[in-house]
This record gives sequence, structure tokens and C-alpha cells, in this order.
Amino acid sequence: EAGVTQFPSHSVIEKGQTVTLRCDPISGHDNLYWYRRVMGKEIKFLLHFVKESKQDESGMPNNRFLAERTGGTYSTLKVQPAELEDSGVYFCASSHARRSSYNSPLHFGNGTRLTVT
Amino acid sequence: DAKTTQPNSMESNEEEPVHLPCNHSTISGTDYIHWYRQLPSQGPEYVIHGLTSNVNNRMASLAIAEDRKSSTLILHRATLRDAAVYYCILRDRGGGADGLTFGKGTHLIIQP
Repeated sequence: EAGVTQFPSHSVIEKGQTVTLRCDPISGHDNLYWYRRVMGKEIKFLLHFVKESKQDESGMPNNRFLAERTGGTYSTLKVQPAELEDSGVYFCASSHARRSSYNSPLHFGNGTRLTVT
Repeated sequence: DAKTTQPNSMESNEEEPVHLPCNHSTISGTDYIHWYRQLPSQGPEYVIHGLTSNVNNRMASLAIAEDRKSSTLILHRATLRDAAVYYCILRDRGGGADGLTFGKGTHLIIQP
């Protein structure tokens, strides 16, 4: 099966611009997660979708970040306007279980490296 | 999620077994122990998980202490491809937030 795919793999934008990251989960996976790692820090959870609904968005840093998953398939993460501290690697993951559980491993994409200059 | 403690780095030789320790002294009865790894320039990759009994799969084995306050990920025969950062993560089956909580992990270096 095809894995989790993320686009673009790299993005370089100027402060104040807008960037949209896309994630295509594994087909049939209801659960979709966004994570990010900023320079020198640990990987941090951002939010979790179950199909098209936001199950948990407690990790979203501020209202400049907007995640959507219309139709419950692919997801987008928009940063508007981007700031320097948004630079990092953004990972998407998906899992199979209809209701995510402790027992369902997450499958990660290879991430989008975002650089804000 | 309960906190885990891992060594910052470990070094091993190719084709030898590797034992990666993890302490989780505050683990609750509903926490599963998960291991993920991250190879350079890739996203994290699931390795194995367990609750109380030792577990084996094609990638590794997981040995869980009887009191569950620690566990060890075992790579039976390390290859250069196993060089990665390994994360030990507790995942609560009792509900609550579902996102994984990554720590700093253990940077495993494999010498040829």
C-alpha cells in the first residue's frame, strides 16, 4: 500500500507570506495527525482528525495555523502569516482504527521542511 | 502521557545485538509501551508495542520488566540501517489525548 505522502517536501517562504502544506494519508485511515519539530526541539503534536472532524487541536500553537480535512481524505495545514519561529519540519501521520486506540500504530510521512526567512 | 527516560545516545557494532533501555517509573496500569524510530531525513516509524508480556516482531523484541517500570527494546542483529533515534512512548488506552508524546529519544550509532 502507498504510505503517507506529504507535499511539498521543502518550502522556503518569507516572513508574512502564506504557506499550505498537504498530507495524503493511507487510504482508509480515518485518523490523521499533524506534528512538527522546530530546530533543536522535540517532535510536538499539533492536532488530530477523525475523518473530517477535529478530535484534538490542543497542540496548535496559535490562530495563524489552520488545519482542514474536507471530505475526510487529505488534509491541509495553512500558516498565515508565517513567522520566523514557524520554521521546522511538519510531519503528518495516519492510523487505521475507526476509533484511534492505544493499539493502532501511526504511519508517518517524511515531512515538509519549512524555512521562513 | 507519563514521562519516559532514555539515554541520549548509544553505540554498537554492526551485526551485534543492541539493547535500548527505557525507564517509565510513573507508568499507569492503562499505559501501553510503544517504540518508534526516526531514520535520518525520514518521518518516525513504528517499531513495536506491548503492555505486560514480552513481544516479538520482524523488526525487534520488547522486554518489559515485571513491575512495568522499565522496558528494553532489543535489536537482535544491528545493521547500519538501524542507525536512528529511538523513542520510547507511553500511550494511554484509558482515553484522553491521542497524540503521541515524543521525548528526546536515544540516538543509536552503529559502527561498521
